Amino acid sequence: AQSVTQPDIHITVSEGASLELRCNYSYGATPYLFWYVQSPGQGLQLLLKYFSGDTLVQGIKGFEAEFKRSQSSFNLRKPSVHWSDAAEYFCAVGAGYSSASKIIFGSGTRLSIRP
Amino acid sequence: SQTIHQWPATLVQPVGSPLSLECTVEGTSNPNLYWYRQAAGRGLQLLFYSVGIGQISSEVPQNLSASRPQDRQFILSSKKLLLSDSGFYLCAWTLMGVGANVLTFGAGSRLTVL
Repeated sequence: AQSVTQPDIHITVSEGASLELRCNYSYGATPYLFWYVQSPGQGLQLLLKYFSGDTLVQGIKGFEAEFKRSQSSFNLRKPSVHWSDAAEYFCAVGAGYSSASKIIFGSGTRLSIRP
Repeated sequence: SQTIHQWPATLVQPVGSPLSLECTVEGTSNPNLYWYRQAAGRGLQLLFYSVGIGQISSEVPQNLSASRPQDRQFILSSKKLLLSDSGFYLCAWTLMGVGANVLTFGAGSRLTVL
């Protein structure tokens, strides 16, 4: 069974600073990996996804993530954060192309932006 | 285009009362359907998922149940609510296949059990 760990519960960064949110997964085969964002009072929005191919994936709002199989990680990065990036971020892992399409989420990382 | 509807949006229920949350998807067929619960500090917990009518996989043993009576309808139920059932319940869908597995979420149902 797959699992996801987001070790940072809450991170605060200054506006304009770089950001890295950590995500580690456990899954026996090649996973499908996702990052979602949930802004206050809003639903969950997909930031980016990895299925195969290039291990560095680009997403919306200037975010990117890198799949590192050797480290079982899929960390989310942004070179310069904006105040509007304050939100909760969730990493998720899917079981890949399968009829049993179970998708498991991490516990989330809340991002605060310091003016 | 596909849309997902979830209701009710908010409800307050006494302990021991029944629960029924409904989710429907429009504009697609044979979706995979999911129920998640979001509780403070616990992220999104997968409760149930379904790959077809009458096919339900349960992830967390508890007093909740799910049913899929029609292709695009997914219902979350309880016969007797507990205080610990309070939370934000999200329905979501995907399509099976390569490049799929991207969840689209409903707006959610906030349940408070008193």
